[in-house]
Amino acid sequence: DSGVTQTPKHLITATGQRVTLRCSPRSGDLSVYWYQQSLDQGLQFLIHYYNGEERAKGNILERFSAQQFPDLHSELNLSSLELGDSALYFCASSASQGARETQYFGPGTRLLVL
Amino acid sequence: AQKITQTQPGMFVQEKEAVTLDCTYDTSDQSYGLFWYKQPSSGEMIFLIYQGSYDEQNATEGRYSLNFQKARKSANLVISASQLGDSAMYFCAMRELYGQNFVFGPGTRLSVLP
Repeated sequence: DSGVTQTPKHLITATGQRVTLRCSPRSGDLSVYWYQQSLDQGLQFLIHYYNGEERAKGNILERFSAQQFPDLHSELNLSSLELGDSALYFCASSASQGARETQYFGPGTRLLVL
Repeated sequence: AQKITQTQPGMFVQEKEAVTLDCTYDTSDQSYGLFWYKQPSSGEMIFLIYQGSYDEQNATEGRYSLNFQKARKSANLVISASQLGDSAMYFCAMRELYGQNFVFGPGTRLSVLP
């Protein structure tokens, strides 16, 4: 158990809908990262928050947004869902944001868009 | 730009034997971190081992060791005394000192045979 929690574990929804994925980092970790893992794209970095502030954006679509709250939990919002958004979405946390900081991953949310 | 290459899509190893999973990386930075993660069929991402670019000794964590050859830009994972539970996808990842992203390789699927 990494100490990172993600809810829900599974999510099935329809195209055009909006969903919210939630992540609670390990106790004391200030950084939260979101990743998307699909069969054809592999593991793709989406976005990074540090202590409530957005620090970096990766391959995140405009239909997707995220935020980190004062209690450090984070939410990833996916809207106008398309079939291609079906993937495993991971949240990871680390104590800080340096190159040496190991990221610990949550169990992931498996999203299926029908 | 960062890039991670894992040239072995799949590997087989006999139980109790050692196996080496290859990883090469491309960076112009002098300071960076290299990481290996394991993803079993259940989907979670498990941190295995870390190597810093300035670390003079190869990292070891139990049965995992990292064969770090900086000049060749390679960071191969060695798993000794393979166990059936080692069957999984293995990802190599890198983060530069001032980079905000983890970049992951495409992964190697390891199958341990009884």
